[in-house]
Amino acid sequence: SQQGEEDPQALSIQEGENATMNCSYKTSINNLQWYRQNSGRGLVHLILIRSNEREKHSGRLRVTLDTSKKSSSLLITASRAADTASYFCATDASRDDKIIFGKGTRLHILP
Amino acid sequence: DGGITQSPKYLFRKEGQNVTLSCEQNLNHDAMYWYRQDPGQGLRLIYYSQIVNDFQKGDIAEGYSVSREKKESFPLTVTSAQKNPTAFYLCASSQLAGGPLNEQFFGPGTRLTVL
Repeated sequence: SQQGEEDPQALSIQEGENATMNCSYKTSINNLQWYRQNSGRGLVHLILIRSNEREKHSGRLRVTLDTSKKSSSLLITASRAADTASYFCATDASRDDKIIFGKGTRLHILP
Repeated sequence: DGGITQSPKYLFRKEGQNVTLSCEQNLNHDAMYWYRQDPGQGLRLIYYSQIVNDFQKGDIAEGYSVSREKKESFPLTVTSAQKNPTAFYLCASSQLAGGPLNEQFFGPGTRLTVL
């Protein structure tokens, strides 16, 4: 069952520009997480935002959460070539011990 | 050097064979997970375990089996009953503190190909 859906599926931007990815989900959550995956590698946790938080920052990352719209966005500022990767949102259903990943956004930073 | 390891990195299987993928963690995490990832897709949960000697089916458990005899280890067996096993398999672990789930730490993955 798909809980989170990222948008867009793919994104290409010039190095130095900002990249924005969105995630929509269906049921109420305790928290939402964003992960990055480089090609052929495991996922790396980027940031976790709890349901009572609206915005969170970590370095060049900014995550927002709108529980009324059941959506989140991940903003990467001043993109670099090393940011090229797939980005996944993951949500936990309120009454479940599992987290569910979306299909991801493939981000390509152009030199 | 703490972390989560998977072996082998690449695995080839003939049809009808069972194969076992290894996953070990030294993070002292209670929970461990197995996911399957197909090209261009997200992760789908196969099995997860929150405590030694206990595990639960995920969304796509058919054709797979697991064991959790030790806290550090959570091997996954892909049986001959799994009709389309070619995929990238990811193992993860997390700390369970009774509250909202914490972040998951992932291994580097095993790419399984059926010949």
